[in-house]
Amino acid sequence: QVHLVQSGAEVKKPGSSVKVSCKASGGTFTMHEFSWVRQAPGQGLEWMGGIIPMFGTPNHAQRFQGRITISADESTSTAYMELTNLTSDDTAVYYCASPATGTTHRKFDYWGQGTLVTVSS
Amino acid sequence: EIVMTQSPATLSVSPGERATLSCRASQHIGNNLAWYQQKPGQAPRLLIYGTSRRATDTPGRFSGSGSGTEFTLTISSLQSEDFAVYYCHQYNNWPSTAFGGGTKVEIK
Repeated sequence: QVHLVQSGAEVKKPGSSVKVSCKASGGTFTMHEFSWVRQAPGQGLEWMGGIIPMFGTPNHAQRFQGRITISADESTSTAYMELTNLTSDDTAVYYCASPATGTTHRKFDYWGQGTLVTVSS
Repeated sequence: EIVMTQSPATLSVSPGERATLSCRASQHIGNNLAWYQQKPGQAPRLLIYGTSRRATDTPGRFSGSGSGTEFTLTISSLQSEDFAVYYCHQYNNWPSTAFGGGTKVEIK
């Protein structure tokens, strides 16, 4: 069983950056995958990207190309998502999510509690 | 890029009735499809994966079916706690993945 705890809510100005953290407990950190999924107010779920700490190389959805950095720190069992050049369209709840290990099904068994990022001047 | 389309956007159902939710993929995704339930203010919860396998603690009234590009989530007899938004999720072309737009199941 993996427990994911995310950092707190953020209020940012347009054009600035935000970095959200996701601390994992339970299981072996490097064997897990961590994805970032966001949800704008009243909207659906949108996959942003992910990382497998064991391999280190992140991937992301094309629409975030140039603006997103996903990383992981094994020493603190924490995954990070940084989004730059924020606009009001980036106002959303950001979730980290992770599949269970030991299966080929890459569904999201575990979710963080969500981090609300509000972009406003 | 695989696009997931869910229908209907909203489904009005009376308690005790059956609900049938649809999800279509723009390309074949085998059986690599999951369903999630989300209630207001909460993170999504995994219900079904591998098209038809129930996740731990998923009640037996939830069932999934389909293959290729057409998938269905059926709730056999809606309970009050089942009124929520449901999302399908393809993970066939992992590490890239995509969600459907969601179906809101509301009380009729």
